[in-house]
Amino acid sequence: QKEVEQDPGPLSVPEGAIVSLNCTYSNSAFQYFMWYRQYSRKGPELLMYTYSSGNKEDGRFTAQVDKSSKYISLFIRDSQPSDSATYLCAMSGNGQNFVFGPGTRLSVLP
Amino acid sequence: ETGVTQTPRHLVMGMTNKKSLKCEQHLGHNAMYWYKQSAKKPLELMFVYNFKEQTENNSVPSRFSPECPNSSHLFLHLHTLQPEDSALYLCASSQDLQTSYGYTFGSGTRLTVV
Repeated sequence: QKEVEQDPGPLSVPEGAIVSLNCTYSNSAFQYFMWYRQYSRKGPELLMYTYSSGNKEDGRFTAQVDKSSKYISLFIRDSQPSDSATYLCAMSGNGQNFVFGPGTRLSVLP
Repeated sequence: ETGVTQTPRHLVMGMTNKKSLKCEQHLGHNAMYWYKQSAKKPLELMFVYNFKEQTENNSVPSRFSPECPNSSHLFLHLHTLQPEDSALYLCASSQDLQTSYGYTFGSGTRLTVV
């Protein structure tokens, strides 16, 4: 079993839709979680950083962690074509040496 | 423009060549990293440096040789590579090894080995 799994997509949604991106993991020690956005020909950029379980909101983005299910989600409200990118989750047990998922490619259609 | 700059952006090299990738950050970060990103695979951590000392080598073949002369600069020296080494090589930095603010990545070097 892979340590961190993500649906590779591509996920195509119409502009304005609510997008749900998900990661599952197998290591119950993970308690630090990050979401990155990576545009084509660019490096990943940090979107959200959360610790332990619960929700965190930043503008149109909400990160959700369910440690009991080993499942994290990133919700994007009112999605825009500019949100089209690959989204990577990353997680760690001690805040170092984060393990990354393979990424989900999102396409928001105008 | 990202706070982490990588050069060159693209590199094509033969299997017998020697080349180097360069990474520079002026964010005042103490930790720097090399990652390999292949299509549809997770980012693979290659090397970690903290205060210019190597702290991690993730079983990377010796044909990849890192160098960190100071906390702002990181190099990846390449020699006798294989076609399967073709990938996007990303440099990243963080304030410290244990980061509450995540990593700052460069735009990467797209390497093609022919």
